[in-house]
Amino acid sequence: GQQLNQSPQSMFIQEGEDVSMNCTSSSIFNTWLWYKQDPGEGPVLLIALYKAGELTSNGRLTAQFGITRKDSFLNISASIPSDVGIYFCAGRGAGKSTFGDGTTLTVKP
Amino acid sequence: SQTIHQWPATLVQPVGSPLSLECTVEGTSNPNLYWYRQAAGRGLQLLFYSVGIGQISSEVPQNLSASRPQDRQFILSSKKLLLSDSGFYLCAWSVREGRAELFFGEGSRLTVL
Repeated sequence: GQQLNQSPQSMFIQEGEDVSMNCTSSSIFNTWLWYKQDPGEGPVLLIALYKAGELTSNGRLTAQFGITRKDSFLNISASIPSDVGIYFCAGRGAGKSTFGDGTTLTVKP
Repeated sequence: SQTIHQWPATLVQPVGSPLSLECTVEGTSNPNLYWYRQAAGRGLQLLFYSVGIGQISSEVPQNLSASRPQDRQFILSSKKLLLSDSGFYLCAWSVREGRAELFFGEGSRLTVL
């Protein structure tokens, strides 16, 4: 089946720093999505990308759909303590979504 | 606005006991419905999805089953739980056509002892 490689697995940063994480796949996806999960809760959609090369922002978050359609990245600028959580990428193709294993973000005040 | 609820939020069950997790969606009609399982420190594994009442597709062979008795109700069940069934179970919905966004419930944490 389709697999996503999400990296890094975890990040420990200082408040105010920028963050970058990415997902790559051997398969082509039609859609890339980024979710955030707070402890003990369900994931919440942050950004959805529908076109190769698309660059979309949501506040301090910016995500891009790679030109090859096999990768995507998420950047968080000027991190704050409430950014802590697990960030998941998901690629959608053939009517199904495949999730990465997540990037756990810790922000130190 | 649309909402999704699942319950119970936490469940501790002995090995061999039955399971029933429920999920309901409000504020939308004809949603696609999904059950995912999340193991500790891992991503989300799709267990079942449904495109309509009584229509269930299973993604992985396992000890669990799903049913959709009503348009906006999705139930995850087991007749006899195994230790390996422990995990965080998430229900999600999406619109029937076109969009890929999933909207998740609050999750149900199952511990099998």
